Amino acid sequence: AQSVTQLGSHVSVSEGALVLLRCNYSSSVPPYLFWYVQYPNQGLQLLLKYTSAATLVKGINGFEAEFKKSETSFHLTKPSAHMSDAAEYFCAVTGRGYSTLTFGKGTMLLVSP
Amino acid sequence: GAVVSQHPSWVICKSGTSVKIECRSLDFQATTMFWYRQFPKQSLMLMATSNEGSKATYEQGVEKDKFLINHASLTLSTLTVTSAHPEDSSFYICSARGVGTGAGYEQYFGPGTRLTVT
Repeated sequence: AQSVTQLGSHVSVSEGALVLLRCNYSSSVPPYLFWYVQYPNQGLQLLLKYTSAATLVKGINGFEAEFKKSETSFHLTKPSAHMSDAAEYFCAVTGRGYSTLTFGKGTMLLVSP
Repeated sequence: GAVVSQHPSWVICKSGTSVKIECRSLDFQATTMFWYRQFPKQSLMLMATSNEGSKATYEQGVEKDKFLINHASLTLSTLTVTSAHPEDSSFYICSARGVGTGAGYEQYFGPGTRLTVT
């Protein structure tokens, strides 16, 4: 079985501040992990993915995430928030033998000027 | 690359009628397509998984006779909401996964279809 927990349904930061969105996972097989971003009334866009290669993964728009097996975490970070980063972010997990993605409940990132 | 489109992006229909939503992979062959439903301010709920040329696999609690899924080709899947009712109003999102799309485990999402049943 697989599950994802995203801590904090809302995260507020000031423009230029560090962004940290938390994701913890549970998986019975080595996980593949993803972060997606969703803007209002749009589908999901893949930000980055971990598929058992480098544990520090760099994605689009300056985001990165680090896979930490000992902590079962895959937190998303960005050094300096931009107003355009305001959106909903979803962490998701799958793995070998699983055909579907399991999503977290999402975290809304709010960026204030 | 790996672009998925949906049509229509927004549809309003009367209660009791049926509506069809199309999901297309534009630049890759989608061996598997997924249909999700998303309620306001909530996460995505997987409705069904379809593999090209075979019957869709529905998640528990999803009425297969109400939500008809067809995946007749490697680039097209359709979701038909039959005898729609106001409670079917939602945001429907498809995704696709297939050969030649990287690691093969990620899904590429369409832009979604907003269905409103009056």
